[in-house]
Amino acid sequence: GQQLNQSPQSMFIQEGEDVSMNCTSSSIFNTWLWYKQDPGEGPVLLIALYKAGELTSNGRLTAQFGITRKDSFLNISASIPSDVGIYFCAGHNAGNMLTFGGGTRLMVKP
Amino acid sequence: ETGVTQTPRHLVMGMTNKKSLKCEQHLGHNAMYWYKQSAKKPLELMFVYNFKEQTENNSVPSRFSPECPNSSHLFLHLHTLQPEDSALYLCASSQKNRGNSPLHFGNGTRLTVT
Repeated sequence: GQQLNQSPQSMFIQEGEDVSMNCTSSSIFNTWLWYKQDPGEGPVLLIALYKAGELTSNGRLTAQFGITRKDSFLNISASIPSDVGIYFCAGHNAGNMLTFGGGTRLMVKP
Repeated sequence: ETGVTQTPRHLVMGMTNKKSLKCEQHLGHNAMYWYKQSAKKPLELMFVYNFKEQTENNSVPSRFSPECPNSSHLFLHLHTLQPEDSALYLCASSQKNRGNSPLHFGNGTRLTVT
């Protein structure tokens, strides 16, 4: 099946630093979604991207739908302790099947 | 409040028990999903219901049996599970006739099989 390669798998950063993570695939996707999962909770949608090249912000979060439709990145600016969690990318293919990446575990040192 | 409510939040069961997980969505969506989340693995899709009809069974063992009585409720009936079935079981919903509509997740049921 289709795979989304998400990197890095984990990152440990200092509070206030900017964060960047990305997802790549050998297949084309029609949408890209970014979710965050806090401990003990389900994933929560952060940003949804629907067009190649689209750049969307949600507060300190910015995500882009790659122009080739095979990748997406998520940036977090000026990280704070509550940014801790696991971030997942996900994409819909032409058949509307949703595939998830393996997640990026973010840890923030105050 | 996520709009998707799952009960119970935690469940411990023996391998010979029968239990059920419940999911209810308050978002007016017409599709519901069961996912399994194990440590160090991507989210695994188990079942999809679209307008109460099962449209996908992702090679899930028969010891997992879904039920969708209406578009707001989804159950996962469990029997004779194995220890490797211990995981977080997530329910999600979406609006299928809006193209690639994002999924909205509940907070999951943490299942431990002893």
